[in-house]
Amino acid sequence: GENVEQHPSTLSVQEGDSAVIKCTYSDSASNYFPWYKQELGKRPQLIIDIRSNVGEKKDQRIAVTLNKTAKHFSLHITETQPEDSAVYFCAASGTGTASKLTFGTGTRLQVTL
Amino acid sequence: DTAVSQTPKYLVTQMGNDKSIKCEQNLGHDTMYWYKQDSKKFLKIMFSYNNKELIINETVPNRFSPKSPDKAHLNLHINSLELGDSAVYFCASSQTRQGSSYNSPLHFGNGTRLTVT
Repeated sequence: GENVEQHPSTLSVQEGDSAVIKCTYSDSASNYFPWYKQELGKRPQLIIDIRSNVGEKKDQRIAVTLNKTAKHFSLHITETQPEDSAVYFCAASGTGTASKLTFGTGTRLQVTL
Repeated sequence: DTAVSQTPKYLVTQMGNDKSIKCEQNLGHDTMYWYKQDSKKFLKIMFSYNNKELIINETVPNRFSPKSPDKAHLNLHINSLELGDSAVYFCASSQTRQGSSYNSPLHFGNGTRLTVT
């Protein structure tokens, strides 16, 4: 089955700096890579996703990159703000009814003033 | 207008008891899931149902029995609760797109925090 590794497990940055979270996956058949943000006591919420036919996607201060050959994908947050503090999860899945989203182990991002 | 709603939000119970968690989605999705999030925040899939049919059943003890009366509902019944069952249980839903290259994103409910004492 799919195995998703995520690094780092914790990340502390100063407000205004950039944050980068990296993930690797094992199943070359995976073709969908979402990122979820989970604030304390709340549900995971999708912030951005990328599909295997795209190498990069950007949404305001958030960008994701995908390297299919190396089976790497990354989340980049620029100009971080205190409200970016949360746990971020990467995930990978294939398609179809039997596909399942396998999550990474999470990165706790702390943005300090 | 909550898209995926689950009840109860909190559940505190003693070892050995039986409890149920209910989930409903109004997004018109055809696939629903149960995920378990442990104290280390690991999110692990337990089950998925597509149009009331069990599709994914991870290595979950058979004390856990999901039931899907229709595609908008997926309940989870847990028998003989154990201390290790303490976790946050998230229901989620998505739309499978047959013949397409992708499924829709997963939408999570607000979670049920289960504490077994």
